[in-house]
Amino acid sequence: QKEVEQNSGPLSVPEGAIASLNCTYSDRVSQSFFWYRQYSGKSPELIMSIYSNGDKEDGRFTAQLNKASQYVSLLIRDSQPSDSATYLCAVNGGYQKVTFGTGTKLQVIP
Amino acid sequence: DGGITQSPKYLFRKEGQNVTLSCEQNLNHDAMYWYRQDPGQGLRLIYYSQIVNDFQKGDIAEGYSVSREKKESFPLTVTSAQKNPTAFYLCASSIGGTGGAPELAGGITGELFFGEGSRLTVL
Repeated sequence: QKEVEQNSGPLSVPEGAIASLNCTYSDRVSQSFFWYRQYSGKSPELIMSIYSNGDKEDGRFTAQLNKASQYVSLLIRDSQPSDSATYLCAVNGGYQKVTFGTGTKLQVIP
Repeated sequence: DGGITQSPKYLFRKEGQNVTLSCEQNLNHDAMYWYRQDPGQGLRLIYYSQIVNDFQKGDIAEGYSVSREKKESFPLTVTSAQKNPTAFYLCASSIGGTGGAPELAGGITGELFFGEGSRLTVL
């Protein structure tokens, strides 16, 4: 079982719709969770961090964490073509070892 | 400006040669990381360091070596023992922390800030 799992996609949504990205993790002692956006050929950039159960909102982005079910999700409201990228889920499993999923490719169709 | 600098951006190497990738940060971060990314893949952890003079193997450490003699610097050497070294190499740093609460004064532990990456091609 992979430590961090994501659906590779591509996930296609029309412009203005809500994009929903999901991630599961295997290590129950994981402390903090992250979503990164990566454009083709570029390095990842952090868009959301979460470490408490529940929702955390920042602009059009909402991260959701459920530690009991070991999943974390990212919602992107009012999706824009500029949101088209690969979204990477990352988990801090303790002692600063940060593990990434393989990423979900999002395509926003104008 | 604070940030992470990786060099070189592009590097070509002949088989059998060792090569060292540079990573420098001026964010005053304790933790530093090296990841490898292959086309269409996620990031795989090579080595990470929580503090100066200490580092741990990640998931794919074979054929790589690192040092952490200064807080600001975490160079990665790709040795000739690495069978398939052609990849995109990413260095990152984080505020660090040794456990306990995930949120510290400087941010959230494990929150990574990346350099622009180094593309290594073996000819």
